[in-house]
Amino acid sequence: ETGVTQTPRHLVMGMTNKKSLKCEQHLGHNAMYWYKQSAKKPLELMFVYNFKEQTENNSVPSRFSPECPNSSHLFLHLHTLQPEDSALYLCASSPLGGLQGGQETQYFGPGTRLLVL
Amino acid sequence: AQSVAQPEDQVNVAEGNPLTVKCTYSVSGNPYLFWYVQYPNRGLQFLLKYITGDNLVKGSYGFEAEFNKSQTSFHLKKPSALVSDSALYFCAVRSLSGSARQLTFGSGTQLTVLP
Repeated sequence: ETGVTQTPRHLVMGMTNKKSLKCEQHLGHNAMYWYKQSAKKPLELMFVYNFKEQTENNSVPSRFSPECPNSSHLFLHLHTLQPEDSALYLCASSPLGGLQGGQETQYFGPGTRLLVL
Repeated sequence: AQSVAQPEDQVNVAEGNPLTVKCTYSVSGNPYLFWYVQYPNRGLQFLLKYITGDNLVKGSYGFEAEFNKSQTSFHLKKPSALVSDSALYFCAVRSLSGSARQLTFGSGTQLTVLP
């Protein structure tokens, strides 16, 4: 295991539902990330948090709302999603968020498989 | 802008044979290159990275990759493939030039090792 956990592992929701994805890292890292993985496409970076502050938002629709209460926890709140939002959502962490040196390795959780009906 | 290309969606190799998974990149400035592997229903696992120094990088599970600056490539290799190596492999690049400090991933290559 990589030290990054995600819950739930699978989620089915309707377009009018509200749900949240949770990520927790036990590595003492200060940066956390949300990625979207769709079939046959490169991983899409969604959000980056460094020391609890959001430092990147890659033009993600407002129906996705991240929250980072501390350096160990990251949430992704979902509301009024569309079927095309169905994907594997991956959380990752790294020591310093790339702010100091490009050598950092990101460590990924197992992902949440989301299906929007 | 930085980018990564994995030209093969699928690579098949017989068990015991050498394997190569190709990756080419485009960045301004010095590249930092990574390989990750993803097994079914799992997240990405780090295999190896190139930062500087020796062009041949050795990583986990017997994998290695060769950095070739003139060809802007970072191909993943293993001398003798195992059935258990069957998985989805991602190449990624990061450059510290400009604002591109985050990882950019390729679209992945599905490796199937046949018994």
